[in-house]
Amino acid sequence: SAVISQKPSRDICQRGTSLTIQCQVDSQVTMMFWYRQQPGQSLTLIATANQGSEATYESGFVIDKFPISRPNLTFSTLTVSNMSPEDSSIYLCSVELSGFRDTEAFFGQGTRLTVV
Amino acid sequence: RKEVEQDPGPFNVPEGATVAFNCTYSNSASQSFFWYRQDCRKEPKLLMSVYSSGNEDGRFTAQLNRASQYISLLIRDSKLSDSATYLCVVIEYGNQFYFGTGTSLTVIP
Repeated sequence: SAVISQKPSRDICQRGTSLTIQCQVDSQVTMMFWYRQQPGQSLTLIATANQGSEATYESGFVIDKFPISRPNLTFSTLTVSNMSPEDSSIYLCSVELSGFRDTEAFFGQGTRLTVV
Repeated sequence: RKEVEQDPGPFNVPEGATVAFNCTYSNSASQSFFWYRQDCRKEPKLLMSVYSSGNEDGRFTAQLNRASQYISLLIRDSKLSDSATYLCVVIEYGNQFYFGTGTSLTVIP
């Protein structure tokens, strides 16, 4: 299993500002994943953070808006830049560990962001 | 078209009831299937994997029908502590996870 510490757990931010979310994993992992979960919606993958290379962004998400850092195999940050109320959401980091039969996703506790 | 579709509910059932959730997926090449549970204001956590042969864990039974691209979760003898959102999750080729919107369950005393 994996234990992920994510912070902050929640924040209320002014529009136009930026927020950086941090995730620390208790083991070394090649890839870390950043998701957004809007009310009543499924988890949407923002990007995959790879250690030693640039993050890979999904359609609809760009680096200028969601810059990601991955300085080592246990840590990653996601920044939500130039925020607007539409960015209000829960942001989750995740890692995937493969076992004998399945791959399991583990999540941080989530960051509940409100932009006013 | 969404990769994974679920009835969002909400399902409100009395204690002791049996409740079933369904989920469909669009990619016939999907490789792995799961049910995750998400409590209010918490992160999702794995509930159980879903295999073609079916999978039972206590009061919970999960089944997969590949021909119909359909996944189900059955909860017997519902407890108050079963109240949560249940997410259907599918892994496609390349290990990309796709999540359903979740089905909300409230078990009523």
